[in-house]
Amino acid sequence: DQQVKQNSPSLSVQEGRISILNCDYTNSMFDYFLWYKKYPAEGPTFLISISSIKDKNEDGRFTVFLNKSAKHLSLHIVPSQPGDSAVYFCAARHGGSQGNLIFGKGTKLSVKP
Amino acid sequence: KAGVTQTPRYLIKTRGQQVTLSCSPISGHRSVSWYQQTPGQGLQFLFEYFSETQRNKGNFPGRFSGRQFSNSRSEMNVSTLELGDSALYLCASSLQGRSSYEQYFGPGTRLTVT
Repeated sequence: DQQVKQNSPSLSVQEGRISILNCDYTNSMFDYFLWYKKYPAEGPTFLISISSIKDKNEDGRFTVFLNKSAKHLSLHIVPSQPGDSAVYFCAARHGGSQGNLIFGKGTKLSVKP
Repeated sequence: KAGVTQTPRYLIKTRGQQVTLSCSPISGHRSVSWYQQTPGQGLQFLFEYFSETQRNKGNFPGRFSGRQFSNSRSEMNVSTLELGDSALYLCASSLQGRSSYEQYFGPGTRLTVT
């Protein structure tokens, strides 16, 4: 039973355009969401996060939107750059007594020059 | 500040053997989590240690175990290796008391079981 879903395994975007990566979750007990970026042969790198009490968080070119009623979050990258090409993982934190992160399977973003 | 380090980076073992992987967290981080990454499966949570105690455990068989030392360094052990254990094993440390919020990952140990 996958609690965090990234339904698009890959996404291709032209340099300078917007990249939108999507993530759906099923567990209403999640209280914190994170996005990680992973290059080959490296560990994931924290990118941006959002608490469930907010609906938007922005950091430079990266913005995360949270729609709690739809149990959906998205990561917007504007403008996209070739160096953004990587696998992006969505993760959710289970509130309450458990605190481990639950990850989606990732979306591979390719930004073409 | 040094990042999370993992040793060894690459490992080849045969079925039935056991393996021990090591992780040194970022200085000051007391929480260490382990994940298994296989193609198409994303990152699957193995377990989390905080102050030498296992606080959370994922849905993995008992062949997978771990421990944490007083200096927060952690090891994970896999006994009786199976072909399906071939994966990238990632360690992450966190400043928070729980395995949540921002976690900082090491480069991983690539384990190949033949």
